[in-house]
Amino acid sequence: GENVEQHPSTLSVQEGDSAVIKCTYSDSASNYFPWYKQELGKGPQLIIDIRSNVGEKKDQRIAVTLNKTAKHFSLHITETQPEDSAVYFCAASEGNLIVGNQFYFGTGTSLTVIP
Amino acid sequence: DTEVTQTPKHLVMGMTNKKSLKCEQHMGHRAMYWYKQKAKKPPELMFVYSYEKLSINESVPSRFSPECPNSSLLNLHLHALQPEDSALYLCASGQGAGANVLTFGAGSRLTVL
Repeated sequence: GENVEQHPSTLSVQEGDSAVIKCTYSDSASNYFPWYKQELGKGPQLIIDIRSNVGEKKDQRIAVTLNKTAKHFSLHITETQPEDSAVYFCAASEGNLIVGNQFYFGTGTSLTVIP
Repeated sequence: DTEVTQTPKHLVMGMTNKKSLKCEQHMGHRAMYWYKQKAKKPPELMFVYSYEKLSINESVPSRFSPECPNSSLLNLHLHALQPEDSALYLCASGQGAGANVLTFGAGSRLTVL
């Protein structure tokens, strides 16, 4: 099965600085890579995703890059703000959820943005 | 606001109680999921329903019993739980037909005494 590793487990940055979280995966069949943000007491919320036919995707201050050859993908948050403080999970999936393909989650990164 | 609604938000129960967690979505998604999440850990898959039929049971103990009455509703019936079952239980729904987006609810925080 798929194995997703995520680093670092904790990350503290000053407000306005950039934050980078990295994930690696093992199954070359994985083709969808979402990132979820989970605030305290809430469910995970999808913030950005990327599919295997794309190398980079950006949405305002958030970007994700994918290197299929090296089997790694990264989340980049620029100009961090205190409200970015949360736990971030990466995930990998190889296909259609409805037929039972799963999301394999990374172990999470606790991001703290210091005002 | 999330489009997957879970009730109750908090539940405290004894080991002999029977209770249920409920989940509802109106996005027309045909796949629905139960996940269990312990503090500071990623969600762990428990069950998957596809077109109202159970398609995945991740070797979950029988004290957890899922039910999918229709395409919008998903229940998790709880009976004779153990204190180690205390966790955040997350419901999610997913689009089919080649799309992989998974939408989570806010979760039900369960405490077993």
